[in-house]
Formats: sequence, C-alpha cells, structure tokens
Amino acid sequence: AQSVTQLGSHVSVSEGALVLLRCNYSSSVPPYLFWYVQYPNQGLQLLLKYTSAATLVKGINGFEAEFKKSETSFHLTKPSAHMSDAAEYFCAVSDGGGSYIPTFGRGTSLIVHP
Amino acid sequence: GAGVSQSPSNKVTEKGKDVELRCDPISGHTALYWYRQSLGQGLEFLIYFQGNSAPDKSGLPSDRFSAERTGGSVSTLTIQRTQQEDSAVYLCASSLVFNNEQFFGPGTRLTVL
Repeated sequence: AQSVTQLGSHVSVSEGALVLLRCNYSSSVPPYLFWYVQYPNQGLQLLLKYTSAATLVKGINGFEAEFKKSETSFHLTKPSAHMSDAAEYFCAVSDGGGSYIPTFGRGTSLIVHP
Repeated sequence: GAGVSQSPSNKVTEKGKDVELRCDPISGHTALYWYRQSLGQGLEFLIYFQGNSAPDKSGLPSDRFSAERTGGSVSTLTIQRTQQEDSAVYLCASSLVFNNEQFFGPGTRLTVL
C-alpha cells in the first residue's frame, strides 16, 4: 500500500523568500515520486519526478526536490518565490513496478505576497 | 503536439439526469486515468485503462459510474442518475505507462443542481 501526506494545506511566503512544501510518503517498494502544480482552472502539470536516479531532482520553474529515504520525504523547494508560483501543489507516489496508479496528496496551496 | 483534451469544459445538470464526459488522450499513450477533484480535496482515483487489459475500476464510488475506452484512445465517463454529491471537477490523464508521468487535461467541471 502507498500513501502521501502533505503537511500544511496552505503555505504563505513573501515574494523572494524560500519556498518549502512538505511531502512524506509511504510505500512498500522503492517508489516513484512526483510533484505536480495546478494553476486555477487548469489541469495538473508535472514539475519534477524521482525514479531512483539522483536523489536531488531539478524541475521546471526553478523548483527542486530531494528524495530522503531515511525520512521517507520528498520536500519541494525553490530559493526565491515569484508571484507566478501561486498555485496548488500536489505530491504523488506510485510503486513503479506493480501498480501504475499514483496516490496523490491532498495538495498545498502556495500563496505569494508582494 | 496536442495535449489531453476534455469536453465539455463545464456541465450543469439536474439531479437524476445522466451525463457523459469525454477525454481525448495524447496519441500513443496507452494508459488513461480518470480522477475526481472536489473542493479542498486531493485527487480521487476513479478508473484506469491500460492498453487492451481489463480496466481497474477499483476507484469508482458507485455503480452509477462507468467508463469505456474505445479503440484504445478516446474515453467516456458516464454518471447515471446524478446526485448533488457528484458535483466536482473530473480530470483525465494519460501516460506512457512505464514512466508513470501523467499528462492531465483541463478537466470538466460538473455541477448537479
């Protein structure tokens, strides 16, 4: 069985500040991990993914995430927030080898203040 | 190239009516997923199609929900005798199954009055 927990339904930062969105997962096998972003009235768009290669994954729009097996975490970061980063962010896990049905977290809404 | 498309973008219906939601996946993607997204909730998995295999229907919330995928491409999600709790955004995604990276459509917003 697999599960995802995103800590904080809302995260508020000032423009230019560090963005940190937390994701913890549970998986019985080495996981595939994903971060997706959803802008208002749009579908989800892949930001980055981890599939057992490098533990530090770089994605689009300056985002990156680090896979930490010991902490079962895959937190998303960006050094400097931009107003355009305001959106809903979803972490997802799949077991990669068996079920191809990812499990999504409940999402974290990122609010960026000027 | 063309992404995943869904139609209609918005659907308002009366309680008890049937609705059909359509998804056109990216050409060549063998896997297709339907999800439901309610306000403040994450994505609720509904059904998964992979090639010619029997679909995984484990997420369908009731027998009022059904889906089919014709010719390994277009998919239709049907909700019979709609209820107000069916109101949500229905998202479709497709992928090349072995990398699990999903490409999402813009969704259909369903409102049941």
